[in-house]
Amino acid sequence: EVQLVESGGGLVKPGGSLRLSCAASGFTFSSYSMNWVRQAPGKGLEWVSSISSSSSYIYYADSVKGRFTISRDNAKNSLYLQMNSLRAEDTAVYYCARDLTSNGPVDYWGQGTLVTVSS
Amino acid sequence: EIVLTQSPGTLSLSPGERATLSCRASQSVSSSYLAWYQQKPGQAPRLLIYGASSRATGIPDRFSGSGSGTDFTLTISRLEPEDFAVYYCQQYETFGQGTKVEIK
Repeated sequence: EVQLVESGGGLVKPGGSLRLSCAASGFTFSSYSMNWVRQAPGKGLEWVSSISSSSSYIYYADSVKGRFTISRDNAKNSLYLQMNSLRAEDTAVYYCARDLTSNGPVDYWGQGTLVTVSS
Repeated sequence: EIVLTQSPGTLSLSPGERATLSCRASQSVSSSYLAWYQQKPGQAPRLLIYGASSRATGIPDRFSGSGSGTDFTLTISRLEPEDFAVYYCQQYETFGQGTKVEIK
């Protein structure tokens, strides 16, 4: 069974940093592109970042470019999102998500971790 | 940048009725990467349709997708109580704003 379990969310002050982790199991992690997708409270889905299976290709939404860094450790079956210079508008549930193919769509989602940016 | 516009914003229907949800792209997109998701309150989204018309694993056949170019449709042939949720279309990194299907 495919499982994606996020951790690392919490309350952080504006300008602060947070690192999200996603532990993957039930599939060959190193064969799949992965994503972070977020959802602000009461809002729709927003793609944040993608990383290819071997980390060769990395993409970011304009809203997070230069502040967030996606990475993965295939030996540890783990995906990460380093978030710096956090803003109030980054407040959201962050989902770890697996791509069905290298160009999407997402076929499996974690349950999400809440990041709240507030003073 | 492609914009996906979903309509209507809210669809009020009764169980057993047919639901037709629209997703319109600001420019022609590849149907190969057009997907639909269902999201219930407090839950992660679930993939329903990919490649515009292929059902994901375990998705009942009352869900169907169609369309090409700029116009795509998700149809739920007969609404079951568990189908009342928010539905999103997606193409690559772009999501539509969602359509809420609520009980009338």
